[in-house]
Formats: sequence, structure tokens, C-alpha cells
Amino acid sequence: NAGVMQNPRHLVRRRGQEARLRCSPMKGHSHVYWYRQLPEEGLKFMVYLQKENIIDESGMPKERFSAEFPKEGPSILRIQQVVRGDSAAYFCASSPAGTSGRPYEQYFGPGTRLTVT
Amino acid sequence: AQSVTQLGSHVSVSEGALVLLRCNYSSSVPPYLFWYVQYPNQGLQLLLKYTSAATLVKGINDFEAEFKKSETSFHLTKPSAHMSDAAEYFCAVSAGFQKLVFGTGTRLLVSP
Repeated sequence: NAGVMQNPRHLVRRRGQEARLRCSPMKGHSHVYWYRQLPEEGLKFMVYLQKENIIDESGMPKERFSAEFPKEGPSILRIQQVVRGDSAAYFCASSPAGTSGRPYEQYFGPGTRLTVT
Repeated sequence: AQSVTQLGSHVSVSEGALVLLRCNYSSSVPPYLFWYVQYPNQGLQLLLKYTSAATLVKGINDFEAEFKKSETSFHLTKPSAHMSDAAEYFCAVSAGFQKLVFGTGTRLLVSP
């Protein structure tokens, strides 16, 4: 069984360019989460998506960042006009749909390390 | 709002010694708590989780954690450290239905 897949693993962008990060959830999982890890810090929640819906984007910066999880294909985290402060590791996690009201454990991908030069 | 505090950014132990990593949480509702491990340049792997069942939770690789409501703690322990346990460990609490709030992490160093 393939785990959560993220690509690219490493991404270098110049200031002002766009970064696109992709996440394919585990088979059978319909919930996707994006987290950002700055150097020497813990992971910070960014956004929670289900197929074609953004459920919680309370951790997303108001500008330049967007996320989608289309009916077909991977989830995409898009960062427009990147700045040096966007340099970080971006992790995607997935979980199955829950029916009991309890949070299901999240399975994490290997991350995309974005470097802005 | 939920939050977690991990005491000690670095913990050093000798191989074979007890491992104790501390986590205190804050939550206005009964929490769900998790411990994850991160090896260099990798994603996070779930070690164990507390979801309001037994207060002593056993996880993989002989790790366990005890939920203590009176102390708002969820400390992670392992009786005997192995070199392969050297990694970064994160405590997390669920906020809302699915969002995880992480602590800042504790780096475990294991010496021979």
C-alpha cells in the first residue's frame, strides 16, 4: 500500500515565482491536511480539505496561498510570488472519512522542502 | 483554543536508559492527544494516540504514554532507549474535529 505521496521533495524558487506542491493521499482517504514546518519549529496547521471542498483554512496566510483538492487528481498547495519567508518544509497528511465524531489519525507524507532564493 | 507545551527542546539519554519526554496540554474540551516521531528529512510517523479510552496508551517500538487529566499531561516514555530512537518527537492535540496543534518538538539524543 502506497503511503501519502508528495512531490516534488525539494523545490527551489526565486523570489516572485510561483510554487506548486502536490499531495496524493493514501488510497481510500478523502481528507487532506497541509502543515508548514519552519526551521527549528513544530508543524503549523494551514488548511483542511475534502474532495472539492475547503473545510478549514484558518491557518492559511490571507494572501498568496491557496489550496485545492479536486475530484480527480492530487491536492495542490499553491504559493504565488514566493518570498524568502516562505522557505520551509510543507507536509501533507491524509485520513479516512470519520463517522464516529472522533479524529482519525493522520498519515503524513515525506514533505516538500521549499527554498526561496 | 487547544495548545501543547513540550518541556525541553533536547533530551539526552544513554542507550538502555529510560526515555521520558514531557508534554502538557491545554484544552477547553476533552482532548485527543498524539505523539509523532520525525526522523531527519522524513515525514511524521504516529507513535500512539489517546482518544478517551484507556489512560495508559501503548504504541509502537515499546513507547507508551499516560494521560493524566489532573496534571494535564501526556508524557511519553520508553523503558530502554535504543540508538535508533534518536529523532525528533512531537506531541499534538486535536483542535476541532480534525486539525492537529503541535508542540515545538523534543530532539532525543541517544549516546552509546
